[in-house]
Amino acid sequence: SQTIHQWPATLVQPVGSPLSLECTVEGTSNPNLYWYRQAAGRGLQLLFYSVGIGQISSEVPQNLSASRPQDRQFILSSKKLLLSDSGFYLCAWCRGLDTDIFHGYTFGSGTRLTVV
Amino acid sequence: RKEVEQDPGPFNVPEGATVAFNCTYSNSASQSFFWYRQDCRKEPKLLMSVYSSGNEDGRFTAQLNRASQYISLLIRDSKLSDSATYLCVVNDPIGGGSYIPTFGRGTSLIVHP
Repeated sequence: SQTIHQWPATLVQPVGSPLSLECTVEGTSNPNLYWYRQAAGRGLQLLFYSVGIGQISSEVPQNLSASRPQDRQFILSSKKLLLSDSGFYLCAWCRGLDTDIFHGYTFGSGTRLTVV
Repeated sequence: RKEVEQDPGPFNVPEGATVAFNCTYSNSASQSFFWYRQDCRKEPKLLMSVYSSGNEDGRFTAQLNRASQYISLLIRDSKLSDSATYLCVVNDPIGGGSYIPTFGRGTSLIVHP
């Protein structure tokens, strides 16, 4: 069966420090991968998505970047965190091309980031 | 910008009540639809997919109306454990056989004794 791992679960970082959040998927190949942010009391905002290795699309301009160095690994980074980067970061995956679009999306357990 | 709109609530209902949520979407090309449930400080989890013919899973019924561009979720015989935020999700094609989901901001349900 497929599983998605996301770490760390919580993180407190000072303003101006770098960030690296990692997400890996097991039990599937060529998944579509997504990074979301959920600010307190707000909806899920799509940050990045990837349909393959090295292919990253950004939905909104921001202080963050994403990379996909391996098929099942998705990394969210920042060189210098801002206070506004605080939030609940969620990685998600779904089956890739030519597959059942009714499969739905599975989320990792999330990283709660507080920038101080 | 493609939009997915939900009434944020909260819907405050007694145990045993029937409650319904609606969600409207703006992109007529949207292909597939889902309801997710999110508990406080947890990740969203898939509740059910929504098909044109409507589908039922126990106490939950989901409907899709493509003409009016909305989906609905009906919960019968509400339980305390149904208290959560319910997210509407719309899958939009981006070309090349891929899709990206757009999430509504969620509807909060509180079931009280």
